Amino acid sequence: SYELTQPPSVSVSPGQTASITCSGDKLGDKYASWYQQRPGQSPVLVIYQDNKRPSGIPERFSGSNSGTTATLTISGTQAMDEADYYCQAWDYSTDVFGGGTKLTVL
Amino acid sequence: QLQLQESGPGLVKPSETLSLTCTVSGGSISSSSYYWAWIRQPPGKGLDWIGSIYYSGSTYYNPSLKSRVTISVDTSKNQFSLKLNSVTAADTAMFYCARRPGRGESHFDLWGRGTLVTVSS
Repeated sequence: SYELTQPPSVSVSPGQTASITCSGDKLGDKYASWYQQRPGQSPVLVIYQDNKRPSGIPERFSGSNSGTTATLTISGTQAMDEADYYCQAWDYSTDVFGGGTKLTVL
Repeated sequence: QLQLQESGPGLVKPSETLSLTCTVSGGSISSSSYYWAWIRQPPGKGLDWIGSIYYSGSTYYNPSLKSRVTISVDTSKNQFSLKLNSVTAADTAMFYCARRPGRGESHFDLWGRGTLVTVSS
């Protein structure tokens, strides 16, 4: 079965750039999506089709996907960005999520 | 503004069947543009896709759960439902319903608030 691997945690200082990676076999040949989940809340889509932002998602969120790695980048990270982030992709009729990355804004 | 709302028992006994319903409001579940999905999240753990359904009744499931899962749709009530049988404590989770634009490579663009189901005697 297809697997997506994320680092368990990433730390960033306020105002700096945070990068969260998601790795999978030939992931660059698929579309990657990213979700933000704040404590006690439902996940929210922040990036789809590798680099598209849904309406209402701040411009500081961006994405890329190439080779075996998709990356979510948060520029000018704010305290409110502290959350769990999950990547997701589609493989042979199956939706797959990464294990999640806890972003800490120190 | 389309909204999704999960409902169902919060406590299920081991070996029994977990049954949940997702009610879609503010829009039609019969839209040709969307699939509808169930996703679960055990306490303190990550997201786990369970399966998805089209308004026509076409379904596809997570292979790891396929033998125990049934997802159905009732277009007259604008609802879709989840049944997970032979549950164990490992099935304790927050269950979310979500909207998925299309089949194939896609994403989940709208989520319900979730409902916590505990499996315990």
